[in-house]
Amino acid sequence: EIVLTQSPATLSLSPGERATLSCRASQSVSTYLAWYQQKPGQPPRLVIYDASNRATGVPARFSGSGSGTSFILTISSLEPEDFALYYCHQRSDWPQTFGQGTKVEIK
Amino acid sequence: EVQLVQSGPEVKKPGESLKISCQASGYTFTDYWIAWVRQMPGKGLEWMGITYPGQSQTTYNPSFQGQVTISADKSISTAFLQWNRLKASDTATYYCARHKAVPDYWGQGTLVTVAS
Repeated sequence: EIVLTQSPATLSLSPGERATLSCRASQSVSTYLAWYQQKPGQPPRLVIYDASNRATGVPARFSGSGSGTSFILTISSLEPEDFALYYCHQRSDWPQTFGQGTKVEIK
Repeated sequence: EVQLVQSGPEVKKPGESLKISCQASGYTFTDYWIAWVRQMPGKGLEWMGITYPGQSQTTYNPSFQGQVTISADKSISTAFLQWNRLKASDTATYYCARHKAVPDYWGQGTLVTVAS
């Protein structure tokens, strides 16, 4: 099973700052990497798919990059609604797996 | 509008059986897979398995194989997740999600509590 390791576990930032979240895979997942946002009591929401494609309705301040084993989710300027948990997810190999999550919290 | 509406919260005792549902609307049910994802209290997301209603095909994460049964009834555009004998460790929120390349639309989640 492919293990996804996210860092940092928690990111403490202020609104308007740039957020950079990392996801590393234990083996290559090509670009079959997605990012999800989850707020308390809500289901996950797809943000980025196939490493760099924004999902429908996702603001342009969200961007994804990477391939192989190293991926980045960037939020260029944090809005109040962006403070949440973020999970990466790979669909390259079965079973599909998720990272353990990065919490973006207000500093 | 694509919607996945899951059945309501459940409280069960260890050893009991349970079947929860996920009703889809707003798209052709047989054109997409439906995935089930577990989230234990305060924990991350775990991929349980996936079913393709169009061909009655189901694949399980080995970690969940034999522990649950995933199925779908295309006549009512509904997917199911079933347990024959619940354990306390099954306490979690269970999400269904529409899946083609990736899970894109998610149900609201069903909280299952198993306690004696």
